[in-house]
Amino acid sequence: DIQMTQSPSSLSASVGDRVTISCRASQSISTYLNWYQQKPGKAPKLLLYAASSLQSGVPSRFSGSGSGTDFTLTISSLQPEDFATYYCQQSYNTPCSFGQGTKLEIK
Amino acid sequence: EVQLVESGGGLVQPGRSMRVSCAASGFTFDDYAMHWVRQAPGKGLEWVSGISWNSGGIAYADSVKGRFSISRDNAKNSLYLQMNSLRPEDTALYYCTKGYGSGIFYGMDVWGQGTTVTVSS
Repeated sequence: DIQMTQSPSSLSASVGDRVTISCRASQSISTYLNWYQQKPGKAPKLLLYAASSLQSGVPSRFSGSGSGTDFTLTISSLQPEDFATYYCQQSYNTPCSFGQGTKLEIK
Repeated sequence: EVQLVESGGGLVQPGRSMRVSCAASGFTFDDYAMHWVRQAPGKGLEWVSGISWNSGGIAYADSVKGRFSISRDNAKNSLYLQMNSLRPEDTALYYCTKGYGSGIFYGMDVWGQGTTVTVSS
């Protein structure tokens, strides 16, 4: 099974900051990597698919990069509504595993 | 409007069975794979199972393999998860999700609000 490891597990930042979250796969997954945002009490929302493709309706301040085993989610200028938990997920092979999540908090 | 509505959750004793359902609307259901994802209280997301558009591809997490069974009825725009031999560690909010492709090797672009399954005596 493919293990997904995110770093950091939590992060404090301020509105306007540039933030980067990393996700590493235990083996190569090409670009079969998706990013989700989850706010408290809400269902997750797809932000990016295929490592770098922005889902419709998602603001352009979100971007993704990487291939193989190392991936990055970048938020270019944090907005108040971006404080949430972020998950990466591989869809290269089953079981389709998630990372443990990164909680982004207000500094 | 694209919508997924789960139902059938509740309290069940360990070792017993439960079936949760998901009603889909607002998209061509039989064009897309579907998945179940769960989230235990205060924990992260765990993919449980996925099924391709025509049920030709099915997969399970190791933690539920042999106990859970996913199925779909394209005529009824519905997805199901039959859960047998339930354990306390199966307690979670179960989300029904839509894949963004026909096979199960894609991400999930639509999520329901979830149905809560509690396994306890």
